[in-house]
Amino acid sequence: DIQMTQSPSSLSASVGDRVTITCRASQGIRDDLDWYQQKPGKAPKRLIYAAVALQSGVPSRFSGSGSGTEFTLTISSLQPEDFASYYCLQHNSFPWTFGQGTKVAIK
Amino acid sequence: EVQLVQSGAEVKKPGESLKISCKGSGFSFTSSYWIAWVRQMPGKGLEWMGIIYPGDSDTRYSPSFQGQVTISADKSFNTAYLQWSSLKASDTAMYYCARRSGYYYTSGYRWGGLDYWGQGTLVTVSS
Repeated sequence: DIQMTQSPSSLSASVGDRVTITCRASQGIRDDLDWYQQKPGKAPKRLIYAAVALQSGVPSRFSGSGSGTEFTLTISSLQPEDFASYYCLQHNSFPWTFGQGTKVAIK
Repeated sequence: EVQLVQSGAEVKKPGESLKISCKGSGFSFTSSYWIAWVRQMPGKGLEWMGIIYPGDSDTRYSPSFQGQVTISADKSFNTAYLQWSSLKASDTAMYYCARRSGYYYTSGYRWGGLDYWGQGTLVTVSS
C-alpha cells in the first residue's frame, strides 16, 4: 500500500502569510494526487486535482505542485476563510490513502 | 447540478446492523463514475474505506475495512450504500460518500479523485 506522509500536522499563520503544506508518497504516484479543504462540521471540498490543476471556483491563491513522490499545496496569501484542515489524497492505486491532515490555525 | 444526498444520522446499539445510503442527482450512475466512502472518526482525519463502480459493481476495499463493511449500489436508483452486519462502538464516526470522475488531458482521459461529496451521515454506536 502507498503511504502518504503529510507535514506539518498543524501550523499557525497570520492573514496574508504564504503557507506551504507537503505530502510525500512512499512510492511514485505520477500526478495522481488531489488536495482537499475541510472546515469544521462540513464535508471536504476539493481544491486541486492532478497535483497542479485548480478546481473550478477555487481562488487562485491556492496552487499545487509536484509529481512522483513530492507534492506541495501553497496558499499564496492566507485569507480568514482559509483557516481549516487540509488533506492530500493519492488515487494512483488501490487502496487509496489520505495524508494525516494539516490544521491551519490563526496566529 | 451534481449532488450527493446521504441518509440521516443514526443511533444504534453494538451488534445491530445498519445500511446508510448516498443518492446521486445531476449525473447518472450508469455513466463513468465511481462512488467512494470515507470515514472520519471524531476529531480525526479522513480514511478511505472503499469504492464501487455502479456500472458493473466492481468494488475495492481498504484492507482496514475489508470484511467489516459492505459497499453496494443500485444504479437504477442512482444510490450507493454502506452497510454493517454487526456494529461496534468503534464504528462511531461521520461517513461521507463522494464521486470519482475523470478528466481529459492532452493524451486522452484519466481517472481522477473525488470531485463531489455528500453532506455526511453521523453514525453513533452506543449501548
